Amino acid sequence: DAKTTQPPSMDCAEGRAANLPCNHSTISGNEYVYWYRQIHSQGPQYIIHGLKNNETNEMASLIITEDRKSSTLILPHATLRDTAVYYCIVRVTGGATNKLIFGTGTLLAVQP
Amino acid sequence: GAVVSQHPSWVICKSGTSVKIECRSLDFQATTMFWYRQFPKQSLMLMATSNEGSKATYEQGVEKDKFLINHASLTLSTLTVTSAHPEDSSFYICSAVAGGRTGELFFGEGSRLTVL
Repeated sequence: DAKTTQPPSMDCAEGRAANLPCNHSTISGNEYVYWYRQIHSQGPQYIIHGLKNNETNEMASLIITEDRKSSTLILPHATLRDTAVYYCIVRVTGGATNKLIFGTGTLLAVQP
Repeated sequence: GAVVSQHPSWVICKSGTSVKIECRSLDFQATTMFWYRQFPKQSLMLMATSNEGSKATYEQGVEKDKFLINHASLTLSTLTVTSAHPEDSSFYICSAVAGGRTGELFFGEGSRLTVL
């Protein structure tokens, strides 16, 4: 799996949009970009994933650059409960080689 | 979303004993499950890939005789920490692939093991 690079921490004001960047410059053509988050002492929670088109669901939006070398997770209206470590992961979906390798992630602190 | 459940959520044991952690997919069948461990303030480290009906595949540096994995059915995988020692104290997390959901991986709540 390709490696990803994320800032170790970010702050965001409550109610504002949180934009979390991720670099994955060595991503392969068949690798998807996945985002998970982990709230303290819990298992990771799936947020969103995409291949090359931008994606949106009830939790967040995922913006992938045209060259696919980087992406941004957007939480449109951050709340205090969004404080967590956010992991950006690239992986081939489906088949036997679909394990997730976690990097260090970004600790997002939403401030009141 | 799909539900993955772990049991127990926390366990305390004496050094030298063995501890079994269960991982169940509650509303889907999982031919593949993954086991991770996480030390305080660190990221998740993949330990092994558990395949239903076959032997687990361990990541480099993980002792297969120490961490026994059994995946006897499509909804259950177990991790047994044998002859546990204090350095095995950690947060153990399992995950499973929900087939038919474009490869989403869902995680259990985690099991915190403390070895005295």
